[in-house]
Amino acid sequence: SQKIEQNSEALNIQEGKTATLTCNYTNYSPAYLQWYRQDPGRGPVFLLLIRENEKEKRKERLKVTFDTTLKQSLFHITASQPADSATYLCALARDDKIIFGKGTRLHILP
Amino acid sequence: DAGVIQSPRHEVTEMGQEVTLRCKPISGHDYLFWYRQTMMRGLELLIYFNNNVPIDDSGMPEDRFSAKMPNASFSTLKIQPSEPRDSAVYFCASSFGGTRQPQHFGDGTRLSIL
Repeated sequence: SQKIEQNSEALNIQEGKTATLTCNYTNYSPAYLQWYRQDPGRGPVFLLLIRENEKEKRKERLKVTFDTTLKQSLFHITASQPADSATYLCALARDDKIIFGKGTRLHILP
Repeated sequence: DAGVIQSPRHEVTEMGQEVTLRCKPISGHDYLFWYRQTMMRGLELLIYFNNNVPIDDSGMPEDRFSAKMPNASFSTLKIQPSEPRDSAVYFCASSFGGTRQPQHFGDGTRLSIL
């Protein structure tokens, strides 16, 4: 069955630097890969979606890459700010199935 | 526009009691999803509906769990009888176009079974 691995340890990044989060998966390549942000006590909020035939997607300070050979997606936040501190989840979708990773907690230190 | 609305936000009940969680999706969305989130297992898909019809309930843990969607603006997730291991945060989400499209989540129901 499909498995997703996200760094279970929290990531601490100095304000202003680029934060990079990793999402690795096993087995089949997803048709779509999504990234969500989750704040404590709230539901996940959609950020970006990338398709299997796309290498990179950008939205403001956010960038997602998708490498089907490595079975990996990277999520970058440039010029990070304390307000970017949250848990980030990746989700893989294919054939009407969707699986979420457990998420990585990101702390942006002022 | 109102987002996905879930109620109650918190529920504490004793083992063996029936629990009903409620969800109002975003108007116009044709898919509705129910998830459960725990520290150990993360966010797990329980069941989803398309146009009020259950499509995939393979994530429902056991027969104690049931979900209904009587119309496009309302869904329930019921646990009967509840057990302590059901304690988790339950999320409802909706989307237009299925699992491949961005999902809009409610803020969840934190369920504690004593």
